[in-house]
Parts: sequence; C-alpha cells; structure tokens
Amino acid sequence: GESVGLHLPTLSVQEGDNSIINCAYSNSASDYFIWYKQESGKGPQFIIDIRSNMDKRQGQRVTVLLNKTVKHLSLQIAATQPGDSAVYFCAENLNTGNQFYFGTGTSLTVIP
Amino acid sequence: DAMVIQNPRYQVTQFGKPVTLSCSQTLNHNVMYWYQQKSSQAPKLLFHYYDKDFNNEADTPDNFQSRRPNTSFCFLDIRSPGLGDAAMYLCATSRQAGGQETQYFGPGTRLLVL
Repeated sequence: GESVGLHLPTLSVQEGDNSIINCAYSNSASDYFIWYKQESGKGPQFIIDIRSNMDKRQGQRVTVLLNKTVKHLSLQIAATQPGDSAVYFCAENLNTGNQFYFGTGTSLTVIP
Repeated sequence: DAMVIQNPRYQVTQFGKPVTLSCSQTLNHNVMYWYQQKSSQAPKLLFHYYDKDFNNEADTPDNFQSRRPNTSFCFLDIRSPGLGDAAMYLCATSRQAGGQETQYFGPGTRLLVL
C-alpha cells in the first residue's frame, strides 16, 4: 500500500490559538487529498479537500496547504476551539483508483 | 438527514459465531466501501463495490465477505470472528469511482468479540 504519514502523533494547543497538523505522502502521482476529523466513537467527518492542481484551499476556519515538491500536506485550524479536539487524518487518492490511503492520525487536544 | 447509516452501532458476538453488519445510504452513490479501524489506527480498506462490481483488497482475509443487494444497502459478513476482528467497522460511499471523489462515512459499528 501507499505510505501516508504524519509528523506528530499528538498535538496540544491552547484554546484560541492556531493549530497546524502536518502530513507527508509518498506517492507523487496522488492527485486528491482529504482531511478528516474523527471524534471518539464516531466515523470520520469530511473537513476539506484539495486537488493537486491547487496549493491552497480555505474553508471555514480551516486551510489546507499542499506542497507537491516535498509531498507535504498541512491542515491549519484558526482560533482552535474545544470542539476541535479529535483525531485528524489525511487521506490521499490516486486518480486511477477508488482507494484512499489514510495516514496514522494526529490527536489534537485543545486546552481550555 | 442521515446519509450513511450503520446498524447496529454496537455489536457483540461470540468467537466463531457469524455476524453481519449493515450499511445503507440515501445519497444514491454508486460506490460503497467497508473499512476496518482498530484502536488508535487509521481506517483500513477491506473492499468496495462499484455498483455491483465487487473489489477486494489483496490483504483482506477470506473471513470477510460482503453483499450489495441494491444501490442503497451493503452488508459486511464475518464468517468466523476471531478476537483480532474486534474493531470499528466503517462504511463509506462516493458518488463515482476513478478518483477525486469525496468519501462520506457512516458513524461506524463497533464490534466486540467475546
């Protein structure tokens, strides 16, 4: 399978600070990426996606950056709130298949 | 408003006793997936259906089977559950195949094997 890894398994931030979650991927042919948020006991929830023809995409309080040169993906959460505490997964997809390869996840804890 | 529905949310079975998990979707998506997620790990794809075409991952044990009787429903059958099969089982859907299609996940069924 493909390798999608995360630099940090855990991250703690103060409420109101910005969070940055990083992800490295190995397949330069991957052309679609999704960030998922998974709260305890629940299924992954779509947060934001980005296609390989873009290097930045913004949503509500979230921004995803894609650096294809170094095969790196990041998720930035602005003004982190306690409700943002969860495990965050990046997933990559090759245009040729249906499979998404998930990274190992980063556990984000927001300290009130 | 539920789009991908999984029942039951929690399932307890005995070692070796067949168990079936169910998934339904209201999105009319062509593709349905089953993932296994063990504690503190990433979801691992078991197999998926593109319409009626079944696609098994190479490393999915034969103990895991699936059925998709119609567009809306997909079942995961575990023929002889072992203790190592205790996990969260996630169903997901996507509109089409071929990449660049978002996958939408259900809430999961947590399986406990006694």
